[in-house]
Amino acid sequence: QKEVEQDPGPLSVPEGAIVSLNCTYSNSAFQYFMWYRQYSRKGPELLMYTYSSGNKEDGRFTAQVDKSSKYISLFIRDSQPSDSATYLCAMSSVGGTASKLTFGTGTRLQVTL
Amino acid sequence: GAGVSQSPRYKVAKRGQDVALRCDPISGHVSLFWYQQALGQGPEFLTYFQNEAQLDKSGLPSDRFFAERPEGSVSTLKIQRTQQEDSAVYLCASSLTYGNTEAFFGQGTRLTVV
Repeated sequence: QKEVEQDPGPLSVPEGAIVSLNCTYSNSAFQYFMWYRQYSRKGPELLMYTYSSGNKEDGRFTAQVDKSSKYISLFIRDSQPSDSATYLCAMSSVGGTASKLTFGTGTRLQVTL
Repeated sequence: GAGVSQSPRYKVAKRGQDVALRCDPISGHVSLFWYQQALGQGPEFLTYFQNEAQLDKSGLPSDRFFAERPEGSVSTLKIQRTQQEDSAVYLCASSLTYGNTEAFFGQGTRLTVV
């Protein structure tokens, strides 16, 4: 079993929908939680970064971490076709985004007109 | 350049051939990471440098994989006697320091072993 589990999708939603992406993990040492967006044939780019449990909001994006359940979520409001990409969750036990990261498989999202 | 640059973008190697993949980090970035991303999978950590020191190589899958960063800037990932299972995108990321600062990824080198 992988340390980080993520549904690979694909997930197809109409423009304007609210998207919910999730990851579960088994390593209780993880303290730093990230969401990356990866367009086809590009490197991952950081979307959201959260330390420990709680919520964080940035524009149309909200990240939630529930350490008691070992469950993290990313919500995208008013989804746009430009949001079509693969979304990767990532976690670390030491350091933040610039450390040894453990990634999920990634969920492919398609936002249709 | 403005971002992390990796070359070549695409590499086709015959099985058994040696390959070298290059990463030019953002100028002044001390930390450098290599990841391997197989098709349909998330990136997997390979190794980490702080300046020229390789502080963590726990993710290198075999002794055929070797990474260096001799002057604390450009890094090279070398794979000897390539095998089909080495086919993947190799991603490099750099950051100003280690820890609570953003690491920026390059576009990756797509290696195909035939």
